[in-house]
Amino acid sequence: DVVLTQSPLSSPVILGQPASISCSSSQSLAHSDGNTYLSWLQQRPGQPPRLLIYKTSRRFSGVPDRFSGSGAGTDFTLQISRVEAEDVAIYYCMQGTERPITFGQGTRLEIK
Amino acid sequence: QVQLVQSGGEVMRPGASVKISCKTSGYTFTAYYVHWVRQVPGQGLEWMGIINPASGKTTYAQKFQGRVTMTRDMSTSTVYMELRSLRSEDTGVFFCARDPIGGSGPDFDYWGQGALVTVSS
Repeated sequence: DVVLTQSPLSSPVILGQPASISCSSSQSLAHSDGNTYLSWLQQRPGQPPRLLIYKTSRRFSGVPDRFSGSGAGTDFTLQISRVEAEDVAIYYCMQGTERPITFGQGTRLEIK
Repeated sequence: QVQLVQSGGEVMRPGASVKISCKTSGYTFTAYYVHWVRQVPGQGLEWMGIINPASGKTTYAQKFQGRVTMTRDMSTSTVYMELRSLRSEDTGVFFCARDPIGGSGPDFDYWGQGALVTVSS
């Protein structure tokens, strides 16, 4: 199975400052169809996960443009340009290139 | 609008079976796979399997093979997930999520609200 390793596991940030979360894969997530199926999900307490970014860098409809995704192969990053209070949540990377689908262990974003 | 609405939470005894529904609306039922994902309290997300509503074909995670069955009802655009031989470690929230067949759009873009299953004697 593909193992996704996120870092940091906890990220205290100052409101208005940037934040960055890394996701490292145990194997390349490049699919034979040309896509790289790496997504980023946000989960607030008591809520289902919410899709932020799919196929590495495509922002889902309605997601603020302060969220961006980048990367290729085995190394990926979620960046928040200016953290807002509503961004307090756990963030997961997820790969859909190989079955079984796997998730990173999650990164807790909190306000410093 | 797109909706995936799940059945309510359940309290089950060890050894019992639970069947959770995921009723979809607002899109073409046969154009999207439906995945099931489990979240154990305070822990991360775990993929259980996938069903293609058009064909009924399923693929299950090895961990759940032999204990899980995913089915669909075309007449109501509903997908079901049954988990058997429940044990306390199965306690968690079960989510359904859709994924476009053919990979032409965002995957896991809409999720059900989750169903809490508590396994306790």
